[in-house]
Amino acid sequence: QQQVKQSPQSLIVQKGGISIINCAYENTAFDYFPWYQQFPGKGPALLIAIRPDVSEKKEGRFTISFNKSAKQFSLHIMDSQPGDSATYFCAARDTGRRALTFGSGTRLQVQP
Amino acid sequence: DTEVTQTPKHLVMGMTNKKSLKCEQHMGHRAMYWYKQKAKKPPELMFVYSYEKLSINESVPSRFSPECPNSSLLNLHLHALQPEDSALYLCASSLGTSGYYEQFFGPGTRLTVL
Repeated sequence: QQQVKQSPQSLIVQKGGISIINCAYENTAFDYFPWYQQFPGKGPALLIAIRPDVSEKKEGRFTISFNKSAKQFSLHIMDSQPGDSATYFCAARDTGRRALTFGSGTRLQVQP
Repeated sequence: DTEVTQTPKHLVMGMTNKKSLKCEQHMGHRAMYWYKQKAKKPPELMFVYSYEKLSINESVPSRFSPECPNSSLLNLHLHALQPEDSALYLCASSLGTSGYYEQFFGPGTRLTVL
């Protein structure tokens, strides 16, 4: 019930391409869906987040698409750059527990 | 100041040692968190403090003992750890737990248990 499933596990994209990472969940009590970016040796940092009353949110090159009926959400990185190479985690917050559950992570490598 | 600081950066300890991890923030946040992250895995929630009171304990073994002395400081006391406890320990904070507040993470303490 608490699980958030994330795919793919790893992704290689050419510079300038689009990176797409997908997440799915079952728990209907989730009410907030952030994406975190983590570089080696660093803590995760919030990239972008969405609430379920919105179907899409865009911030610069990063877009979250949210499909409430399918219980799926995805991160699109447009014009991917080598500096975007990192591990990306989707997460979901349970409205009752008010705690984040993280997906398993996607290791993104953007080749120059 | 939008920073969560953690000390030490690295810690090596034996199974009979007692040590403590420290986390500090000066953003006026009233919620603080401890996470454990194994290599190539996501962060796993251990404890949540809200207004200096423990609100969530994710069934963490008693060899991990959290403490929140004030709203800016969070400690994790370690005693009689096992080698499988070796991991990156992350601290995070947020304005609160009830709203859609960003969690700010520290850089973590890399713990090795021999």
